[in-house]
Amino acid sequence: DGGITQSPKYLFRKEGQNVTLSCEQNLNHDAMYWYRQDPGQGLRLIYYSQIVNDFQKGDIAEGYSVSREKKESFPLTVTSAQKNPTAFYLCASSKQGSYNEQFFGPGTRLTVL
Amino acid sequence: AQSVAQPEDQVNVAEGNPLTVKCTYSVSGNPYLFWYVQYPNRGLQFLLKYITGDNLVKGSYGFEAEFNKSQTSFHLKKPSALVSDSALYFCAVRDNGARADTGRRALTFGSGTRLQVQP
Repeated sequence: DGGITQSPKYLFRKEGQNVTLSCEQNLNHDAMYWYRQDPGQGLRLIYYSQIVNDFQKGDIAEGYSVSREKKESFPLTVTSAQKNPTAFYLCASSKQGSYNEQFFGPGTRLTVL
Repeated sequence: AQSVAQPEDQVNVAEGNPLTVKCTYSVSGNPYLFWYVQYPNRGLQFLLKYITGDNLVKGSYGFEAEFNKSQTSFHLKKPSALVSDSALYFCAVRDNGARADTGRRALTFGSGTRLQVQP
């Protein structure tokens, strides 16, 4: 999973709680991404950031928030507004340029109790 | 809009036989195409990509893929399958003509194909 770490590996949340998923990379990549993976649906883009202090909504941003205060870090907060947050969350990073492949972290599995 | 289809949820093949995992795409411009592999409870690993040039792309672990513009396909292939190739495979596309607005610069992934290689 090369240069990208995600923590925790497993996370349990009670309904109504906000939780923050950590993503750190030491690849000196400018771009970072958050995806949600559900069985049989592939990966869906939540948020992405091309540069520090800037980020854009993806296809399913409702109920999520992000920040990009440092190049190395792109934390994702799952808020209580997200109706069905139980899923596997993947963080990725890449060099600038749309032809560059993305490198993925090991993922965080979030379960709402 | 850009989209990817992986028509097979699962592909079964015997060890030593050739394997093919199918992918078709739709973009308004020219595509950048990628294949990734995912092992259980892990992140995705990059296998190969097509940007331009030779239609046959070689990647990691003996995998290759053939870009076919007329059929809008990018099928993943391997001449001789191994049991250790059993995993979930994702095709992804990015439209290289898309504007840098919301979501367009990111990859669109297919729903995945589970490859099962029997000993």
